[in-house]
Amino acid sequence: AQSVTQPDIHITVSEGASLELRCNYSYGATPYLFWYVQSPGQGLQLLLKYFSGDTLVQGIKGFEAEFKRSQSSFNLRKPSVHWSDAAEYFCAVGSTDSWGKFQFGAGTQVVVTP
Amino acid sequence: EAEVAQSPRYKITEKSQAVAFWCDPISGHATLYWYRQILGQGPELLVQFQDESVVDDSQLPKDRFSAERLKGVDSTLKIQPAELGDSAMYLCASSDGQGLNTEAFFGQGTRLTVV
Repeated sequence: AQSVTQPDIHITVSEGASLELRCNYSYGATPYLFWYVQSPGQGLQLLLKYFSGDTLVQGIKGFEAEFKRSQSSFNLRKPSVHWSDAAEYFCAVGSTDSWGKFQFGAGTQVVVTP
Repeated sequence: EAEVAQSPRYKITEKSQAVAFWCDPISGHATLYWYRQILGQGPELLVQFQDESVVDDSQLPKDRFSAERLKGVDSTLKIQPAELGDSAMYLCASSDGQGLNTEAFFGQGTRLTVV
């Protein structure tokens, strides 16, 4: 069965500092991987996705993620965080038979300090 | 910009009462999903529709939950009777197909509190 693990429940980062959120997955075949962001009381917004090809994926809001098959990881990064990046971030594995059918991680709460 | 509409945004209900949530997907999106997100956890899929047909409801607690999408457009998720453990955010999502350039769009969710 597929699964997604986000080891960090909570991360605090200073504004302007770099950010890296970890995601490890377990999946039998080549996974479709996603990062979503959720602001308080809001739905989920897609940041980026990986299917195949270039293992470094660029997304919206200055985020990028790198797929590492050998480590079963898909970590999200941003070189310089802004106060508006404070939110909860979810890594997800997608199904190959149905778009929108995801296995989500438990999420990482990001707090940005001045 | 097209978006997935959900109502109500917030709902407080007493346990053992019935409650219903509504979702209107993006126009033309054939696939619709209901997710439940318990506080502090990631969303979990409850049910998936393709047009008006249920494709996957394996995680739907069928003794108390029901979902329908009668005309293949908007959808209703119902809980009867509600239990304290049903307190959660209920998210609806829709997508237009299975191609790699498509995307699932999420609504803002309905926050349910059962007291």
